[in-house]
Amino acid sequence: RKEVEQDPGPFNVPEGATVAFNCTYSNSASQSFFWYRQDCRKEPKLLMSVYSSGNEDGRFTAQLNRASQYISLLIRDSKLSDSATYLCVVNRGGSYIPTFGRGTSLIVHP
Amino acid sequence: DGGITQSPKYLFRKEGQNVTLSCEQNLNHDAMYWYRQDPGQGLRLIYYSQIVNDFQKGDIAEGYSVSREKKESFPLTVTSAQKNPTAFYLCASRTVGHNTEAFFGQGTRLTVV
Repeated sequence: RKEVEQDPGPFNVPEGATVAFNCTYSNSASQSFFWYRQDCRKEPKLLMSVYSSGNEDGRFTAQLNRASQYISLLIRDSKLSDSATYLCVVNRGGSYIPTFGRGTSLIVHP
Repeated sequence: DGGITQSPKYLFRKEGQNVTLSCEQNLNHDAMYWYRQDPGQGLRLIYYSQIVNDFQKGDIAEGYSVSREKKESFPLTVTSAQKNPTAFYLCASRTVGHNTEAFFGQGTRLTVV
């Protein structure tokens, strides 16, 4: 089993839609979690950290479920500019090495 | 401005050649990482370093080598032993600690010709 797993998609949604992505991780000792956004042929950039209590940043909401070992990202009122790949990241092990899922592709169409 | 600089942005290598990818950061981060990304795939860890003069193999270290002689610099050499080196290479750094995010350079796209 991979350490961090994501559905690669693509998720193809109309503007204004709400879309949710899940990510599962295998190491129950993992301490910290993030969502990154990656545009085509560019480097990943931090979208948001994921806290145990959940957190919200504008149209984006991240949740952590430690019991089931998954994190989620909810995007409300999707914009064309949200089209990208969303990478789930877990800092693993004693050295807290950032470990990436393969990403979920989102395509927002008019 | 603080950040991570990778160079070159594009690199072409002939089969059998070694090439070195540069990664420099001025964020005063202790930890640095090299990842490889293939089309449609996530990032796979090649090597990482938590402190100067020390580095560890990642999940796919074969055919690669690194050095960490300065805190700011973590160059990656792709050797001729790497059988399929064509990929997008990303360097990252972060503050050591469990809850800190990684920052990335703009990447180097390596193509074997």
